Amino acid sequence: AQTVTQSQPEMSVQEAETVTLSCTYDTSESDYYLFWYKQPPSRQMILVIRQEAYKQQNATENRFSVNFQKAAKSFSLKISDSQLGDAAMYFCAYRSARRANSKLTFGKGITLSVRP
Amino acid sequence: GAGVSQSPSNKVTEKGKDVELRCDPISGHTALYWYRQRLGQGLEFLIYFQGNSAPDKSGLPSDRFSAERTGESVSTLTIQRTQQEDSAVYLCASSLRLGIGQNENTIYFGEGSWLTVV
Repeated sequence: AQTVTQSQPEMSVQEAETVTLSCTYDTSESDYYLFWYKQPPSRQMILVIRQEAYKQQNATENRFSVNFQKAAKSFSLKISDSQLGDAAMYFCAYRSARRANSKLTFGKGITLSVRP
Repeated sequence: GAGVSQSPSNKVTEKGKDVELRCDPISGHTALYWYRQRLGQGLEFLIYFQGNSAPDKSGLPSDRFSAERTGESVSTLTIQRTQQEDSAVYLCASSLRLGIGQNENTIYFGEGSWLTVV
């Protein structure tokens, strides 16, 4: 079974600064997808960024980028130029590429606060 | 619809009562998922539908929990004889059938149904 670990329960960043959220995972599969979701107080799960395991290039979406280290099974999220609206809970998630097992497996999440 | 729609958004029920939670997935999405999120916790997988069948029910915590899906569209999660530990947000999500396209790899979530058992 796949597992996703987010070992930092909370982090804080100064507005306009950069912060990195850590995530590791365990799998025996070679083909899979990784995601970061943001959950603000509204509870809506919002996709931040996704990465296909077969791609060596790290995904980027505006101020958000990942550091995907497949051999180390590490998938960290970097938020640049942090904004007050980035404050939320962030979840790392794994999805197998096998159609028979396509659910998302989540980490426990990390609460990010942004200091003005 | 434009997004995943869930109802009710909030439900308070007495211990021992049955509740039904409804999910309307994004139009055309064949895969549908139910997750549970207790306060301050991560998301626990409950059940997955592909079309109207449920190939993975491994996350249902007890036989008090059941779910069905009809017409490859709406799904209902039913909790019988609710207990206080059932209090949580129940999140529904949907996706296209897993494939090689980027959009097919992403699961989209509704806003959840907040259940409080008193």
